[in-house]
Order: sequence, then structure tokens, then C-alpha cells
Amino acid sequence: DTEVTQTPKHLVMGMTNKKSLKCEQHMGHRAMYWYKQKAKKPPELMFVYSYEKLSINESVPSRFSPECPNSSLLNLHLHALQPEDSALYLCASSQEARDTGYGYTFGSGTRLTVV
Amino acid sequence: GESVGLHLPTLSVQEGDNSIINCAYSNSASDYFIWYKQESGKGPQFIIDIRSNMDKRQGQRVTVLLNKTVKHLSLQIAATQPGDSAVYFCAENTGGFKTIFGAGTRLFVKA
Repeated sequence: DTEVTQTPKHLVMGMTNKKSLKCEQHMGHRAMYWYKQKAKKPPELMFVYSYEKLSINESVPSRFSPECPNSSLLNLHLHALQPEDSALYLCASSQEARDTGYGYTFGSGTRLTVV
Repeated sequence: GESVGLHLPTLSVQEGDNSIINCAYSNSASDYFIWYKQESGKGPQFIIDIRSNMDKRQGQRVTVLLNKTVKHLSLQIAATQPGDSAVYFCAENTGGFKTIFGAGTRLFVKA
């Protein structure tokens, strides 16, 4: 299995809702990432987990809460989002932080719309 | 802050021609560079990478060139095909977990 699976593919939520994005990989990768991508823009790093511990938080607002329950799963909990948070949320994984020679493996993303 | 950027936001080539996508980076501490391809509705896909101790690396139909003197990276695609149409991002890593993506270039392949 060489894939990163993200669910759901599409999500519409109100500003008072609580929802979660899920990411799963079975490649034995020990680093997992959340990126946010606005239309026609590059992916922007949000969070990095290494060996199930949060390593990087790129000053992301607290309405985004990441969780890594185990080495294969990564969640992003959403609460009280704003319309400007609408974007494609990408999950990625890698064997280690770097020195893999293979870059990151990305999922297809969750298209989030906040109304 | 330092960033990775691209000279050309769009590139249109004829099928069968070679494509060259350029990227400028500003962080002299970056020592690992990656090219990603992103098709519509999909996540970025790894194409090829290069470390700073190299100036050229070849893959299948793709070549990455690195010029550290002028902090320039390029991706060459040989015999461009319609399936190569996508947005291409260069990305840099300065060590650790942080990979920064450049602005992206959209490649159109005309049949």
C-alpha cells in the first residue's frame, strides 16, 4: 500500500460546527503532515508529527486541532471555523523528516467549504 | 521571510517538445530540493529530487538542474505529453521537517 487516504473528500460545515478530517497511511512512515492549500496557491505547512509527537505548529489558530492517535492515523479537528478557512486540506507522510530520497506522499485532500 | 519562487506562472508547449520550468530560491541554507506535480483534484505527486552536493539528476524523461551560485532550480521534461499538463511546484528543505513550496507553474501541453 503506497497511498495516503483522506476522508472525507468534500466537507461543507457551518461556522458553529465541529468536524474532523482523517488521514491514514500504511507505508510505515513515521512523519505525517497537514498542509492547507488555497486555490492557485502552493501548499502551506500547518502541522508536523514525528513518531506520533507534534514537532511543528506553524502558528495555526487554535480552531484547528491536530491529533495523531497512532503511527498510521492523523486527524485534524475543526471547530468554529471562518469562511476564509475554506481550502483544500492535504495530508502527507514521509519515512523520516528527510533523507528519504522520495519526498512526501500526499493524499488527494479534503475540499473544505465553511459557510 | 525567505521563500521559494518561480519565474513563469504559466508555460504552454507543443506535444513532443521539451519543457523547462524554472524556480528561484532564496534560502542559501537549503540543501534538498524536490519537484512535485499536481493535477486537478489531486494532491502533489513527487517527481524528482536533488541534494545540494549535486548539480544534475536525471529520471525517466525528467531532469533537474541545480545552480547554487545563482540559487536556481529547473525541471526539464523531455518529449512533453498531454498527461504532463499540471501545476508544477518546486520545494526546498533546509533540514528537519519543514518543506517550503514555491508558487507553482501551470504547464499546458497543446496537442
